[in-house]
Amino acid sequence: AQSVTQLGSHVSVSEGALVLLRCNYSSSVPPYLFWYVQYPNKGLQLLLKYTSAATLVKGINGFEAEFKKSETSFHLTKPSAHMSDAAEYFCAVSQGDSSYKLIFGSGTRLLVRP
Amino acid sequence: DSGVTQTPKHLITATGQRVTLRCSPRSGDLSVYWYQQSLDQGLQFLIQYYNGEERAKGNILERFSAQQFPDLHSELNLSSLELGDSALYFCASSVPQGTSGQETQYFGPGTRLLVL
Repeated sequence: AQSVTQLGSHVSVSEGALVLLRCNYSSSVPPYLFWYVQYPNKGLQLLLKYTSAATLVKGINGFEAEFKKSETSFHLTKPSAHMSDAAEYFCAVSQGDSSYKLIFGSGTRLLVRP
Repeated sequence: DSGVTQTPKHLITATGQRVTLRCSPRSGDLSVYWYQQSLDQGLQFLIQYYNGEERAKGNILERFSAQQFPDLHSELNLSSLELGDSALYFCASSVPQGTSGQETQYFGPGTRLLVL
């Protein structure tokens, strides 16, 4: 069965610093991987997704993620954090059956210090 | 704005009661997914409908049921409510992209259910 692990339930960075949110997946088939962001009292918004076209995926708001098969990782990065990036971030894998339901990690709350 | 709408935004009810949550997918999307977000369980898939038919079931309790209507809107029915059913319920919709799993799911703003 596919699963996703997000290391660190909370990550705190200073404004302007590098953001690194970790995600490791477990999948017996080539996975489709997603990063979603949830702002307070809002729904989930897609940041980016990996669909095997390219290992480095660029998303919205300056975020990008690199798929590393050898490490079974799909970490999310942003070179310079902005106060508006404070939110909860979820990594997800698409179940490889007829459903394509998403299996989510436990989420990482990003705090940005001024 | 994702284009997925959910009503109501908030719902407060008592144990033992029954509620119905409604979801309207994005125009043209045939698939509707329901997810539950709670503090102890995180984000969990409940059920999926595709063009009116149930496609997959996840960790959905027998007290819960759903359906998708001909106009593609969906309803999630929760009955015999318990305190532990208090959660944020999300609906997501997508349009199939062949037989892959790379389709993007667009999430609604959610319905926050509080069972007292």
